[in-house]
Amino acid sequence: EPEVTQTPSHQVTQMGQEVILRCVPISNHLYFYWYRQILGQKVEFLVSFYNNEISEKSEIFDDQFSVERPDGSNFTLKIRSTKLEDSAMYFCATARRAGELFFGEGSRLTVL
Amino acid sequence: AQSVTQLGSHVSVSEGALVLLRCNYSSSVPPYLFWYVQYPNQGLQLLLKYTSAATLVKGINGFEAEFKKSETSFHLTKPSAHMSDAAEYFCAVTSYSGGGADGLTFGKGTHLIIQP
Repeated sequence: EPEVTQTPSHQVTQMGQEVILRCVPISNHLYFYWYRQILGQKVEFLVSFYNNEISEKSEIFDDQFSVERPDGSNFTLKIRSTKLEDSAMYFCATARRAGELFFGEGSRLTVL
Repeated sequence: AQSVTQLGSHVSVSEGALVLLRCNYSSSVPPYLFWYVQYPNQGLQLLLKYTSAATLVKGINGFEAEFKKSETSFHLTKPSAHMSDAAEYFCAVTSYSGGGADGLTFGKGTHLIIQP
């Protein structure tokens, strides 16, 4: 069964460092999303991406965050200068049709 | 704006008993509604979805949910709980605007505990 693959599964970084989280979507999917889940809290929408551009972004997705799909396969989330409050589980999701999201297993980011 | 409220952050039932997880939504346009399950240290798995067809929706693992517009609810049920059902359950809402890339808005989740 096709699945969304995320790397790394866990990354520990120092505050102020740049982090890139990677996602390999299911092959025929056209819609891409990043969500995050701070420990003990709900899953929060960050950004959606379609046709090589951002479709929608939340208030959380400020100038520190960026997304791209540089090679037509990997979908990446970059955090330019990490803060302690960026520590969370980051989920990539992809969809062939709007709303029908398939999630990866997540990348746990720990900022020290 | 859309929102989801899940009543009860923790629900405990005995094995074999009825499971009922509550979800109420708020949406200014016709919603699409979803239930996702998250097992420990895993991602979110789609259980079932409502996309304006039948109001009673059947999903995987014996779960079903009924869309009730008058009550703005989409409660998740299962007639007989199994130990393997223990997990975190999330209700989510979106709308299909035609643009196709609307994100999901999630509830805070309900932790389902199954007592032997």
